[in-house]
Amino acid sequence: NAGVTQTPKFQVLKTGQSMTLQCAQDMNHEYMSWYRQDPGMGLRLIHYSVGAGITDQGEVPNGYNVSRSTTEDFPLRLLSAAPSQTSVYFCASSKGAGGQTGELFFGEGSRLTVL
Amino acid sequence: KQEVTQIPAALSVPEGENLVLNCSFTDSAIYNLQWFRQDPGKGLTSLLLIQSSQREQTSGRLNASLDKSSGRSTLYIAASQPGDSATYLCAVRTGANNLFFGTGTRLTVIP
Repeated sequence: NAGVTQTPKFQVLKTGQSMTLQCAQDMNHEYMSWYRQDPGMGLRLIHYSVGAGITDQGEVPNGYNVSRSTTEDFPLRLLSAAPSQTSVYFCASSKGAGGQTGELFFGEGSRLTVL
Repeated sequence: KQEVTQIPAALSVPEGENLVLNCSFTDSAIYNLQWFRQDPGKGLTSLLLIQSSQREQTSGRLNASLDKSSGRSTLYIAASQPGDSATYLCAVRTGANNLFFGTGTRLTVIP
């Protein structure tokens, strides 16, 4: 029972490099989202998707791209890494939004350092 | 914008004590409220979800309550154990992808 799987767990980048954080879920969830967690700031929403082919921006989308070609996968692309993007990134999914379907499940996180 | 506050930021209790963690929010128009546990260097683990129409949910030694009118939720942990040491976060959902998190309460249970 894998749930939400994120790779890589750790990554170090140089300023200006690009990379993709992978996220996959095996629960047939329609809703998927990416958050970043910074000390003292809580979790902030970067991008989200309510189904394959549908994505939208969250609170802090600048510098990131997403796509959702399948129900299972929701990769997050850093276009040109900056030190301000040093953070822990979490992918999450839920079956829906209302009622019990809104229960959110998280991956283990991807720790990114940009030098 | 919804604001979610968790006070205190940190709490230490001796093993065996019952304790209450607090979560307050500013807008009562919510879909649900969810409590999570986060261990150091790990992801968030869902503990309890309370739907907007519910007043409380229970799972084992955990009981979460919701009072929308006052904008408050509590997480009650009975007979605390050292293994309960972690950061506890609450999150309020107000829309399809409008989810607002508190910054958490770091709990330490002392053996």
